[in-house]
Amino acid sequence: EAGVAQSPRYKIIEKRQSVAFWCNPISGHATLYWYQQILGQGPKLLIQFQNNGVVDDSQLPKDRFSAERLKGVDSTLKIQPAKLEDSAVYLCASTGGTRTVQETQYFGPGTRLLVL
Amino acid sequence: QKEVEQNSGPLSVPEGAIASLNCTYSDRVSQSFFWYRQYSGKSPELIMSIYSNGDKEDGRFTAQLNKASQYVSLLIRDSQPSDSATYLCAVNDNTDKLIFGTGTRLQVFP
Repeated sequence: EAGVAQSPRYKIIEKRQSVAFWCNPISGHATLYWYQQILGQGPKLLIQFQNNGVVDDSQLPKDRFSAERLKGVDSTLKIQPAKLEDSAVYLCASTGGTRTVQETQYFGPGTRLLVL
Repeated sequence: QKEVEQNSGPLSVPEGAIASLNCTYSDRVSQSFFWYRQYSGKSPELIMSIYSNGDKEDGRFTAQLNKASQYVSLLIRDSQPSDSATYLCAVNDNTDKLIFGTGTRLQVFP
């Protein structure tokens, strides 16, 4: 079974530029999560999708971050414009979508973003 | 604000010793508890989950949960240099969302 795919793996941009990240979850997984992991910290949830609907985006900085999952499969996270403090690893995770408390989240390899 | 607290370490143990990693959480209604291992530059990988009070063993790993004390721990027996990584404690807040601690860096030296 293929895992969660993410691209690109690395991205370097200058502040005020735009950037987009792509995630393809495990086949059949209904729930998709985007996390931000700043160096030395644990992952912080940015947004959660159930199929193509948003379940939770309470921690997404909506003035600059946006995300979509139009067909309920792959997803794109965008930052526009980027700030220095956005330098982090952006992790995508997925689960089967039963939304039970015991579901295991499977993580992709992440996209490492450096904003100069 | 729901919180998950971990000592950032590093925790240094000799090869063959028992490594003990600890985690406390603030939300009493939390039901599910997970330990993820994260190697440097890699994504988190689930190694243990625990839902009931007591111990759960899987190979060299034992997770311990005490809901009354809001405490969960991970013991690694016969620690190996390949166990050197950051261990993230994650707690489910009674939904399907995980709240992560900052992680404890473990170093196992030969």
